[in-house]
Amino acid sequence: EIVLTQSPGTLSLSPGEGATLSCRASQSIDRNFLAWYQQKPGQAPRLLIYGASSGARGIPDRFSGRGSGTDFTLTISRLEPEDFAVYYCQHYGASPITFGQGTRLDIK
Amino acid sequence: QVQLQESGPGLVKPSGTLSLTCTVSGTSIGRTSFYWGWIRQAPGKGLEWIGSIYYSGSAFYSSPLKNRATISVDTSKNQFSLNLSSVTAADTAVYFCARAEWARQFGEITYYFDFWGQGALVTVSS
Repeated sequence: EIVLTQSPGTLSLSPGEGATLSCRASQSIDRNFLAWYQQKPGQAPRLLIYGASSGARGIPDRFSGRGSGTDFTLTISRLEPEDFAVYYCQHYGASPITFGQGTRLDIK
Repeated sequence: QVQLQESGPGLVKPSGTLSLTCTVSGTSIGRTSFYWGWIRQAPGKGLEWIGSIYYSGSAFYSSPLKNRATISVDTSKNQFSLNLSSVTAADTAVYFCARAEWARQFGEITYYFDFWGQGALVTVSS
């Protein structure tokens, strides 16, 4: 089973700043099959990125993903107030799929 | 627009069976080549995949839950369901249903989830 480790656990930033979230895998993820989700309190996760770098439908272009192998990042270029949430990565490069433990993005 | 809605009892007794149904609208389970999945989230914790099913009835489960989980599909009602037997307090969680984009990796099916239901809190308590 591939273990995904997200860092930092919590990131405190101000609106307008840029954010970089990390997701590291315990082994290489085939075909860069990695997805990112955003979850706000009391809501379901929302798909942001799939295939490490492809934006899901309707996702603002300030969200971008990159990476390959074992190291992946989600970048939010200019934080909007609605971007403060918990972010999860998930791989689907092999069975079983697994999720990272999440990064909480807080308003500073 | 694809929408999913979970329904079922919010309280289940220990050793009982948790039963949830996901009703899908905006698309037909039986006419599209997606898998349909269940994911849960214990209070204050992360996401855990439970299992997924194809419209044909072919289902796959996570190893820790495969002996207790059963997922079924009813294409005539555009619904799929989860039964989880022998529940304990550790099964208390918000249960989400979701549509899954899938791929075949190393002979097995893998998924990411593009549309989600709002989630249903199920508490296991006497």
